[in-house]
Amino acid sequence: DTGVSQNPRHKITKRGQNVTFRCDPISEHNRLYWYRQTLGQGPEFLTYFQNEAQLEKSRLLSDRFSAERPKGSFSTLEIQRTEQGDSAMYLCASSSPDRDKTEAFFGQGTRLTVV
Amino acid sequence: AQRVTQPEKLLSVFKGAPVELKCNYSYSGSPELFWYVQYSRQRLQLLLRHISRESIKGFTADLNKGETSFHLKKPFAQEEDSAMYYCAPSDTGRRALTFGSGTRLQVQP
Repeated sequence: DTGVSQNPRHKITKRGQNVTFRCDPISEHNRLYWYRQTLGQGPEFLTYFQNEAQLEKSRLLSDRFSAERPKGSFSTLEIQRTEQGDSAMYLCASSSPDRDKTEAFFGQGTRLTVV
Repeated sequence: AQRVTQPEKLLSVFKGAPVELKCNYSYSGSPELFWYVQYSRQRLQLLLRHISRESIKGFTADLNKGETSFHLKKPFAQEEDSAMYYCAPSDTGRRALTFGSGTRLQVQP
């Protein structure tokens, strides 16, 4: 296990299509986060899982977005009926349940381009 | 609302010069403060956190609760320090990070 893994690394899709991204966290990490980053900005929080439970969703996450973590391991983020404004880098991060290990480990991201 | 301000988008210095990357935050409760760094073509990674009080790669950051600041400093910049730096507080519960817009540090030879 060499870290948080995200697939695909790049995705180009036509407006109106659905896309799904996958994140594999570090195996012993129970917390998983999705962030979105647009050009010139820092990452923005989208949603958070503790094990398989989705505990929080940002107001940035419209009804077209859905995230799952069915077995408390990998997670998927689906965007339905994509819009050009969805073009961004989607980052996944995970962190340990250990109270002394609070840092988040990030994946390399999936860059989405909606044309 | 939680807010993080990194006033400089770009900071350009010469090798060996001191560096200070500013961060001010507005955050309810007692957040944990982090600096994350992203080198060219690499993933975002932790540089340091305020609770550990460590110096990492020569960088230090002091939390000033009165001024709600967490500035990052290094006395002598190196070319390999060139990167994007993000200040990010996190609540101690869910540990989701609130990122600033980042400062690009450019260290010239």
